[in-house]
Amino acid sequence: EPEVTQTPSHQVTQMGQEVILRCVPISNHLYFYWYRQILGQKVEFLVSFYNNEISEKSEIFDDQFSVERPDGSNFTLKIRSTKLEDSAMYFCASSGIGEKLFFGSGTQLSVL
Amino acid sequence: KNEVEQSPQNLTAQEGEFITINCSYSVGISALHWLQQHPGGGIVSLFMLSSGKKKHGRLIATINIQEKHSSLHITASHPRDSAVYICAVRRMNYGGSQGNLIFGKGTKLSVKP
Repeated sequence: EPEVTQTPSHQVTQMGQEVILRCVPISNHLYFYWYRQILGQKVEFLVSFYNNEISEKSEIFDDQFSVERPDGSNFTLKIRSTKLEDSAMYFCASSGIGEKLFFGSGTQLSVL
Repeated sequence: KNEVEQSPQNLTAQEGEFITINCSYSVGISALHWLQQHPGGGIVSLFMLSSGKKKHGRLIATINIQEKHSSLHITASHPRDSAVYICAVRRMNYGGSQGNLIFGKGTKLSVKP
């Protein structure tokens, strides 16, 4: 079965640093998403991306966050100046039109 | 106020038992997802429902739109079914993507041999 790939699996950074989390969605999918899960809490939607632009975003997705599809395969989440509270597991997912979601295995971000 | 509530929060079963996990929601929805989160953290989509019932192997998902309720059933449970099961809904009248979801807190299932 096709997979969504995320790198790195773990990222440790200092507060105030920029981080880029990378994802390779399934090749024929059209919708791309980022979610986060703070330890012990529920999963939260961050953003969806379609046709090279953000289609929906949550209140969490403020000016510190940005997404990009720099080429035909990668989908990235950038956090400009990380805060302690950004520590979480970040999941990428992709889907076709009206289809179920396929999730990556996540990137555990630790901000020190 | 949680818009998606799951019960029970934790569930321990013996291998072979029939398991039911419930999800209630308070908003109008266009779709409901059942997800499985493995102990390592990875998430797998099990079902996406907008009405009726779906079956895949030993898993069955049902939804009652009028009652705003869905159930996930596992027949002949096995220790490998041990995971967190998450219900998530997509509000009605949102755009084309399926991914803007409201998640429940999950039900932690442990199946003992």
